[in-house]
Amino acid sequence: QVHLVESGGGLVKPGGSLRLSCAASGFAFSDFYMTWIRQSPSKGLEWVSYISSSGSIVYYADSVKGRFTISRDNTKKSLYLQMNSLTAEDTAVYYCAGPFRGSSSYWGQGTLVTVSS
Amino acid sequence: DVVMTQSPLSLPVTLGQPASISCRSSQRLVYSDGNTYLNWFQQRPGQPPRRLIYQVSNRDSGVPDRFSGSGSGTDFTLKISRVEAEDVGIYYCMQGTHWPPLTFGGGTKVEIK
Repeated sequence: QVHLVESGGGLVKPGGSLRLSCAASGFAFSDFYMTWIRQSPSKGLEWVSYISSSGSIVYYADSVKGRFTISRDNTKKSLYLQMNSLTAEDTAVYYCAGPFRGSSSYWGQGTLVTVSS
Repeated sequence: DVVMTQSPLSLPVTLGQPASISCRSSQRLVYSDGNTYLNWFQQRPGQPPRRLIYQVSNRDSGVPDRFSGSGSGTDFTLKISRVEAEDVGIYYCMQGTHWPPLTFGGGTKVEIK
């Protein structure tokens, strides 16, 4: 059975940092690109970042470029999101998910990030 | 960026009756490989999104056949042939053709009358 389990969310002050993790199981993690997607009441579902299966290609939404870093460790079947210089606009539930084009697609349960003083 | 526009915003439906949700994209979603990467997701209350349909009309594993997707170009539709109580939630379309960025529609809330 496929599982994507996010962790690392929590309450952080503006300007602070958090590192999110996503542990994958039940599928060939290293074969697939992965993404981080966030959801907030004000912005709905928003794509945040993409990483290729090997980790050599990454993309970011303009709203997080220069502040967030996506990475993966295929030996550990894990996906990460390092988030720096956080603002209230980054408050959301963060999901790891992917891929989206073919017949296989997976989505985690999400981890809540709250940025507040 | 491709803008995805869904309608209606809210859809009250009687149990057993059909429901239809529209999704329009600001650009044609045919990719250079000939496929159209338009997905539909369902989000039940308190749950993460779950993909129902990929490439316009293909149902994901385990998705009941009362759900169907259709469309082409810039106009797409998700239909529920007979709404059941478990179908309550918010439905989103998402394009995976012209990315980054992936973009989502604003959502359609399906509720029982």
